[in-house]
Amino acid sequence: DAGVIQSPRHEVTEMGQEVTLRCKPISGHDYLFWYRQTMMRGLELLIYFNNNVPIDDSGMPEDRFSAKMPNASFSTLKIQPSEPRDSAVYFCASTLRGELFFGEGSRLTVL
Amino acid sequence: AQKITQTQPGMFVQEKEAVTLDCTYDTSDQSYGLFWYKQPSSGEMIFLIYQGSYDEQNATEGRYSLNFQKARKSANLVISASQLGDSAMYFCAMRVSGYSSASKIIFGSGTRLSIRP
Repeated sequence: DAGVIQSPRHEVTEMGQEVTLRCKPISGHDYLFWYRQTMMRGLELLIYFNNNVPIDDSGMPEDRFSAKMPNASFSTLKIQPSEPRDSAVYFCASTLRGELFFGEGSRLTVL
Repeated sequence: AQKITQTQPGMFVQEKEAVTLDCTYDTSDQSYGLFWYKQPSSGEMIFLIYQGSYDEQNATEGRYSLNFQKARKSANLVISASQLGDSAMYFCAMRVSGYSSASKIIFGSGTRLSIRP
């Protein structure tokens, strides 16, 4: 299997622009997690899905953030409008019941 | 509240020595799981070891072992015979119940381990 695939790997954008991060989980995994990593806040759980259904989005920082999982093989995390404080590495991870398998992360820089 | 605490922001250890990274957790769940992940400077998250709350034996994976003390709610990672390549950030994580009986996985703040030659 190719593992969890995230795109883009790097994104530089200007404040106010819309950002869309993409994730393809490992086939057969029924959980998908989005995390944000910063120096100040560490690894924060933003939202997670089970069988494509959002279970808990209480970690999403603001209404500017939204996530979808239209099918078992694709999820998006959208930030609109983006702000400099959104600069971070965003990880997608999937699992069946055991350990989390992480993507390589999307490094977002908002100028 | 469900929480993972790693109290050591950073550690320096001499090569070939054993090192223990601390992790304490808080959950009211009876069934839960504990993980350790390594994040080298390249940024990827590497799974190291897993311990289930009902596992009676401490988990081991090569040079890694998990010192699980359920009553104390601790799940320390022990690395034997440390190597230069062990220099990285280490995260303790816990799988607990979330909404609608679906599990979620939360992480501690991490410990940066540096191995001295």
